Amino acid sequence: DVKVTQSSRYLVKRTGEKVFLECVQDMDHENMFWYRQDPGLGLRLIYFSYDVKMKEKGDIPEGYSVSREKKERFSLILESASTNQTSMYLCASSSWGLAGNTIYFGEGSWLTVV
Amino acid sequence: AQSVTQLDSHVSVSEGTPVLLRCNYSSSYSPSLFWYVQHPNKGLQLLLKYTSAATLVKGINGFEAEFKKSETSFHLTKPSAHMSDAAEYFCVVSDQPTGGGNKLTFGTGTQLKVEL
Repeated sequence: DVKVTQSSRYLVKRTGEKVFLECVQDMDHENMFWYRQDPGLGLRLIYFSYDVKMKEKGDIPEGYSVSREKKERFSLILESASTNQTSMYLCASSSWGLAGNTIYFGEGSWLTVV
Repeated sequence: AQSVTQLDSHVSVSEGTPVLLRCNYSSSYSPSLFWYVQHPNKGLQLLLKYTSAATLVKGINGFEAEFKKSETSFHLTKPSAHMSDAAEYFCVVSDQPTGGGNKLTFGTGTQLKVEL
């Protein structure tokens, strides 16, 4: 069964802290994504990666960075957390191939910055 | 460029009645279109997808959607709502002209409420 695992479901961090959100997929997918989800705004793409050590900015990359050292793992990093980064973060993965390949999502990480 | 508009932020139906969740899209290429469902505190689950094959797409849990190019629409329907259908639904478009990348654009979501 397809699995995207986000190790931290609920986090509370202080303003200015460095935050790591980890994501692991077990499907040998090339593509991995980080989205944030906010009420009324849907999902917005932060960063994505199509290969190990490769990354591309999405629609809202400011304040975030990512790391992909291994194919199965994609980390989202908040260098200095701020209250406007309080959100639900969703990791996803997909494979190369025909357009329209299914994207599989993790269950999300709720981050509160105080 | 691509975009997607979900025309209703909230829809309320009675159990056993039909469900209609509306979605319009714009795309520079032939799009792939998806509907995802999200139950509370869960990730997104794929309901169905259209990728230039049959225009009427059947998905899980009795849902289906029809791709209408002339209307740039991809509305989601179900003949009879069940309480377990209460969730948020996202319409998604991808118009990557070649495979790979799968950069998706999400609608803002429609919250479906099912009442007894």
